[in-house]
Amino acid sequence: QVQLQESGPGLVKPSETLSLTCIVSDYSISSGYYWGWVRQPPGKRLEWIGRIYHDGNTYYNPSLKSRLTISVDTSKNQFSLKLTSVTATDTAVYYCARLSGYGEFFDFWGQGALVTVSS
Amino acid sequence: DIQMTQSPSTLSASVGDRVTITCRASQGIHRWLAWYQQRPGKAPRLLIYEASSLQSGVPSRFSGSGSGTEFSLTISSLQPEDFATYSCQQYNMYPWTFGQGTKVEIK
Repeated sequence: QVQLQESGPGLVKPSETLSLTCIVSDYSISSGYYWGWVRQPPGKRLEWIGRIYHDGNTYYNPSLKSRLTISVDTSKNQFSLKLTSVTATDTAVYYCARLSGYGEFFDFWGQGALVTVSS
Repeated sequence: DIQMTQSPSTLSASVGDRVTITCRASQGIHRWLAWYQQRPGKAPRLLIYEASSLQSGVPSRFSGSGSGTEFSLTISSLQPEDFATYSCQQYNMYPWTFGQGTKVEIK
């Protein structure tokens, strides 16, 4: 069963770049599926961030597109998120997840990583 | 963006109760809707996709229905482990969007 694990700093200063990596286990990213990121600010609803295919094809939430980069490293079986110019509103639990082969919903999730934006 | 609105926001129920949560989309999404369960401090868990298809491993007491703009998730007999927050997600049109969540709490 595929497993995902987020890693990265838990604290980022305002105006800096938030960087997270999702390490995928028990499944090769190169074999297929889309992989994505979702976040959840404290007490708020889930927000879809974007997704990537193993060939690097991406689609981003337009609300974040200008600040967002999602990349994939198939040699390390991981994919990453970079969000620039962060503010306090980017404070959230960030989840990486796999998109199902039946549609763009998420069938496997990482445990989540809390990222706080604060000076 | 398609707005997803759930009702109620909080639901108090007892073990054994039948509960229904509603999700309404701001425009038609056919049957492109998923439901997730989220326990405190845990990642979401996929329950239902394509409005009514049960994800593998999910108990049959969970069921989904609806199409267009109105959807529902029903738990036929609430179990202790079902006290959690439930969210819907539309995947008909980018960007995918989620409902605000319905918290099912112990009465």
